[in-house]
Amino acid sequence: GENVEQHPSTLSVQEGDSAVIKCTYSDSASNYFPWYKQELGKRPQLIIDIRSNVGEKKDQRIAVTLNKTAKHFSLHITETQPEDSAVYFCAASPDFTGGGNKLTFGTGTQLKVEL
Amino acid sequence: EAGVTQSPTHLIKTRGQQATLRCSPISGHTSVYWYQQALGLGLQFLLWYDEGEERNRGNFPPRFSGRQFPNYSSELNVNALELEDSALYLCASSLDRVQPQHFGDGTRLSIL
Repeated sequence: GENVEQHPSTLSVQEGDSAVIKCTYSDSASNYFPWYKQELGKRPQLIIDIRSNVGEKKDQRIAVTLNKTAKHFSLHITETQPEDSAVYFCAASPDFTGGGNKLTFGTGTQLKVEL
Repeated sequence: EAGVTQSPTHLIKTRGQQATLRCSPISGHTSVYWYQQALGLGLQFLLWYDEGEERNRGNFPPRFSGRQFPNYSSELNVNALELEDSALYLCASSLDRVQPQHFGDGTRLSIL
């Protein structure tokens, strides 16, 4: 089955700096890669996603890049703010036609943005 | 538009009992997913229901089961509860099998 590794497990940055979180996956059938942000005691919230036919996607201060050949994808947050502090999870999934549709999650990155 | 709603918020049980957790998907969503988020273990896929049928299952024992009703809401049942079943159980829904999945606030299940 799919295995998703996520690094680093904790990341501390100064406000205004950039943060990068990296994930690798094992199943070449995976073609959908979302990122979720989970604040303490709250639900995971989808912040950005990318499909395998696209190499990069950007939404304001957040961007995701995907390298299908190397089976890795990354989350980039620019101009970090204190409200970006949370646990971030990457995930991978084949689509339902592949019999999957389940999300396999990474182990999470605790991001702390310091003033 | 209402999001995914789960009930109850908290559930306290003892070993050997049975627990039932409920989920209502976003209106119009037909797929419902269940995940377990145990402390330090991330989110683990449990079950996927679509159009009333179980479509996929994670690596959990058969005492974890569920169903999806005609209105697309879902129940997760956990029988013969064990201490290690203590976790946050999250439900997610998606539109017509197509990603993305949107999560509810979860049910915190505590086994004493």
